[in-house]
Amino acid sequence: DVKVTQSSRYLVKRTGEKVFLECVQDMDHENMFWYRQDPGLGLRLIYFSYDVKMKEKGDIPEGYSVSREKKERFSLILESASTNQTSMYLCASSLPWPRNTEAFFGQGTRLTVV
Amino acid sequence: GQQVMQIPQYQHVQEGEDFTTYCNSSTTLSNIQWYKQRPGGHPVFLIQLVKSGEVKKQKRLTFQFGEAKKNSSLHITATQTTDVGTYFCALRGAGNKLTFGGGTRVLVKP
Repeated sequence: DVKVTQSSRYLVKRTGEKVFLECVQDMDHENMFWYRQDPGLGLRLIYFSYDVKMKEKGDIPEGYSVSREKKERFSLILESASTNQTSMYLCASSLPWPRNTEAFFGQGTRLTVV
Repeated sequence: GQQVMQIPQYQHVQEGEDFTTYCNSSTTLSNIQWYKQRPGGHPVFLIQLVKSGEVKKQKRLTFQFGEAKKNSSLHITATQTTDVGTYFCALRGAGNKLTFGGGTRVLVKP
């Protein structure tokens, strides 16, 4: 059974903290993605990666960075957490276009910054 | 970059009725995908469309890609309570970027 696993289901952090959200996939997928989901705004792409050590900015990269040192792991970093980064964060992975492009999602991490 | 707009944002449907949700773009799309997210869950892939005018069916769900490849629709017949959730369209852009629309949240009245 294919699997994308996010390290935490719920997380509470203080303003100004450095926060790491981890995502691991076991499908040997080249592509990995980080989204945030807020009510009424759908899924907004923060960053994605198409290979180890490669990364591309998504639509809302400000305040975030990412790391992909191994193919199976993609980390999202909040350099200095702020209250407006309170959100649901979803990680996904897929094969590259034009191969099977179905994206598989993790269960999500609900981050609260206080 | 390319964007897709979904309408309506919310859809209240009487159980047993049909409804349609739409995904629109101002530019020509190379492909469109549809996902469903149940309440409290994560998005799950439903289907991908790539050809102009393509129509695909999954039981009570009918997916269509417009002739000009600028819009797509999802039509559900005889809505059931199991259809509750948020339906997203998504497109694959340059460099494997995967962008989602805002979603249509479907509520079913029994």
